[in-house]
Amino acid sequence: AQRVTQPEKLLSVFKGAPVELKCNYSYSGSPELFWYVQYSRQRLQLLLRHISRESIKGFTADLNKGETSFHLKKPFAQEEDSAMYYCALTVRPNSGGSNYKLTFGKGTLLTVNP
Amino acid sequence: EAGVVQSPRYKIIEKKQPVAFWCNPISGHNTLYWYRQNLGQGPELLIRYENEEAVDDSQLPKDRFSAERLKGVDSTLKIQPAELGDSAVYLCASSLRSGTEQYFGPGTRLTVT
Repeated sequence: AQRVTQPEKLLSVFKGAPVELKCNYSYSGSPELFWYVQYSRQRLQLLLRHISRESIKGFTADLNKGETSFHLKKPFAQEEDSAMYYCALTVRPNSGGSNYKLTFGKGTLLTVNP
Repeated sequence: EAGVVQSPRYKIIEKKQPVAFWCNPISGHNTLYWYRQNLGQGPELLIRYENEEAVDDSQLPKDRFSAERLKGVDSTLKIQPAELGDSAVYLCASSLRSGTEQYFGPGTRLTVT
């Protein structure tokens, strides 16, 4: 079964400090990893996906298959980064076919203090 | 573009009563998802539609939950009868097709008393 673990429920940093939100996963197949973000009073939205290998709003995430991790990082946090962050996983079974079930972690609430 | 539209935004009912949620996906999106998000948890998939066909309903509690997507556009999720444990946020999402980016609606917050 696929599982996503976000060990930190809450993370608080000061503006300008580096931030890392941790995500570990377990899978049986070829994983595709995502980070979703939900700002206050807004809907859940995709932040980035590992296959894109891009930086969004200064955030990056590298898939480490050896450690089964997909940590989200930003070198200098901004107050507007305060939000709920969810790591999510889709697994495509080796046997073929498709399984687009998106499995979410429990989320980490990031607070960036001035 | 309004994005994914859901109604109502909030609903309070007594246990054993029925309740229904409605979702209008983004125009042109063939795939529609219903998720349930319990307090302090991430969203959990209940059902996925490709057009009007439910292709994954393995997580839908079929004894009390039902869903439909007539004509492959709007969708309705129903609970009958509701239980206290059904209190949660019910999210609808849509995507062009399975495997592409999912766009979420604002959710319906259900409270069962």
